[in-house]
Amino acid sequence: QQQVKQSPQSLIVQKGGISIINCAYENTAFDYFPWYQQFPGKGPALLIAIRPDVSEKKEGRFTISFNKSAKQFSLHIMDSQPGDSATYFCAASSSGSARQLTFGSGTQLTVLP
Amino acid sequence: DGGITQSPKYLFRKEGQNVTLSCEQNLNHDAMYWYRQDPGQGLRLIYYSQIVNDFQKGDIAEGYSVSREKKESFPLTVTSAQKNPTAFYLCASTLGPLTDTQYFGPGTRLTVL
Repeated sequence: QQQVKQSPQSLIVQKGGISIINCAYENTAFDYFPWYQQFPGKGPALLIAIRPDVSEKKEGRFTISFNKSAKQFSLHIMDSQPGDSATYFCAASSSGSARQLTFGSGTQLTVLP
Repeated sequence: DGGITQSPKYLFRKEGQNVTLSCEQNLNHDAMYWYRQDPGQGLRLIYYSQIVNDFQKGDIAEGYSVSREKKESFPLTVTSAQKNPTAFYLCASTLGPLTDTQYFGPGTRLTVL
């Protein structure tokens, strides 16, 4: 019930292309869905987050699409750049769990120049 | 500068030894968290603390211990009972236990020799 499943495990995209990472969850109590970006040897940094009351949120080149009925959400990176090469984690939390984050397994994105 | 600091960045331990990882924050955050990250896996919650002098076990607390004597400090001890301690350890904090955004420190890489 607490799992967040993330795919793909790795992704290679050409510069300027669109990167898409998908996550699915089971716990309907989740009400906060962040995406984190992590560079090698560094801590994760919050990229963008969404709540279930909206279906899409955009910040610059990054967009979260949220499908409440399917219990799925995805990260779209438009005009992908080599500097976007990192590991991306989706996560979810609920107010009933003291905001503990349940993380997906991560996607290693490589953007080729 | 406000933020979360973790020390040391790299730590080596012999089997059978206890070791303590430091986590300090000057963000005036109430809640703090410890995660473990293994290659190809998402972050897993070890312990969390919502207020001073109080903490709860996460999903993988066995072999670990924590203390929260001060608001700004949340040290993690990896004991000899932890069977496979080699991993990347991340500390995080949030403004309050019901606040969504978790901010992460830079991490400590622990290697057992």
